[in-house]
Amino acid sequence: AQSVTQLDSQVPVFEEAPVELRCNYSSSVSVYLFWYVQYPNQGLQLLLKYLSGSTLVKGINGFEAEFNKSQTSFHLRKPSVHISDTAEYFCAVTRRDGGSQGNLIFGKGTKLSVKP
Amino acid sequence: DGGITQSPKYLFRKEGQNVTLSCEQNLNHDAMYWYRQDPGQGLRLIYYSQIVNDFQKGDIAEGYSVSREKKESFPLTVTSAQKNPTAFYLCASRGQGSYEQYFGPGTRLTVT
Repeated sequence: AQSVTQLDSQVPVFEEAPVELRCNYSSSVSVYLFWYVQYPNQGLQLLLKYLSGSTLVKGINGFEAEFNKSQTSFHLRKPSVHISDTAEYFCAVTRRDGGSQGNLIFGKGTKLSVKP
Repeated sequence: DGGITQSPKYLFRKEGQNVTLSCEQNLNHDAMYWYRQDPGQGLRLIYYSQIVNDFQKGDIAEGYSVSREKKESFPLTVTSAQKNPTAFYLCASRGQGSYEQYFGPGTRLTVT
């Protein structure tokens, strides 16, 4: 079975500061990895995904994430955050071999709060 | 515009009543999903469907039911057997050969 741990439930940061949201996963098989963002009272929007190739993945809104297989991590980073980045961020995985029928396993989320 | 619609945005019901949440997609996706979201608990899978006329229970299916009579539609019924139905419900879909899911805007259900 797969599991996802988002190490921080809340991350406060000042505007224009860098931020890192941490995600670790556990799986006995290879996985694909995703980051989603959720603004208040809205659905989830895909920020970026890692399927294969370069371990540094760039997404929308200036976010990027790095896949580290040895540390089973997929941390999300942004060099300079804006007030508009205030939202909840979810890390998710799914099995590469199709064994989970495409179902995603989500972490519990990290609330990013950007202060002026 | 292609996407997923969920209606209504807010829904209020009395305890003991069944209620049906709508989910429609025009993305021509085969797979559809229902999730429940509670504060601090992330997303939990209720039911999913890979093709029309077929669906499977997720992790928290008790007290819920679904149907998949059309490719575009995957309604969720919250029955009176669901002990704590107040939550934010999210519908998602996934295209064949794709790995990411696309989400609707959600329905916030309040039962009193």
